[in-house]
Amino acid sequence: AQSVTQPDIHITVSEGASLELRCNYSYGATPYLFWYVQSPGQGLQLLLKYFSGDTLVQGIKGFEAEFKRSQSSFNLRKPSVHWSDAAEYFCAVGASNTDKLIFGTGTRLQVFP
Amino acid sequence: DGGITQSPKYLFRKEGQNVTLSCEQNLNHDAMYWYRQDPGQGLRLIYYSQIVNDFQKGDIAEGYSVSREKKESFPLTVTSAQKNPTAFYLCASSIGSGGPEGTQYFGPGTRLTVL
Repeated sequence: AQSVTQPDIHITVSEGASLELRCNYSYGATPYLFWYVQSPGQGLQLLLKYFSGDTLVQGIKGFEAEFKRSQSSFNLRKPSVHWSDAAEYFCAVGASNTDKLIFGTGTRLQVFP
Repeated sequence: DGGITQSPKYLFRKEGQNVTLSCEQNLNHDAMYWYRQDPGQGLRLIYYSQIVNDFQKGDIAEGYSVSREKKESFPLTVTSAQKNPTAFYLCASSIGSGGPEGTQYFGPGTRLTVL
């Protein structure tokens, strides 16, 4: 069965520290991978996406993610976190042979000054 | 500005009443989606539509209904048959379905509270 796992429900980091949010997927076809961010009471904003090519993709707000096929992972990183990055982050996976995205359950990021 | 609008942002209804949530997009996208979000459960797909006058059930369609009479509009009705309708509802759209064209863009959401 297709699935997306975000192992960390809640992460706390200090402002200025580096960040890595984990995402693992199980998918039979070649996956298309996405990271979204959601501020409280708001909709989801697309941070970045991977379809093919270079496995390191750059997104908005200084985020990047690396696709590792051997590990079935698509982890999100940021070298220096800002207080405004506090939000919930969702990983999602799709494919060319499906018309739906599968979302992980999210990771809530808290940033301390 | 192109985008997705959902109205209202907050909605209160009495138990047993049907309620319709609005979703409009001016992105010229063919596909539209409705999700329900509850704390700790991520997003669950209610209904989706790949083209006008056609839609499919998602994972939790019971107690909900939709229509897609216009490309830009995809209203969701929460019926009295929905056992626990209080939730945050998100609408999304994409150019097409599947592959890169399936990249979904989201509206701001509607928080429905049933009293």
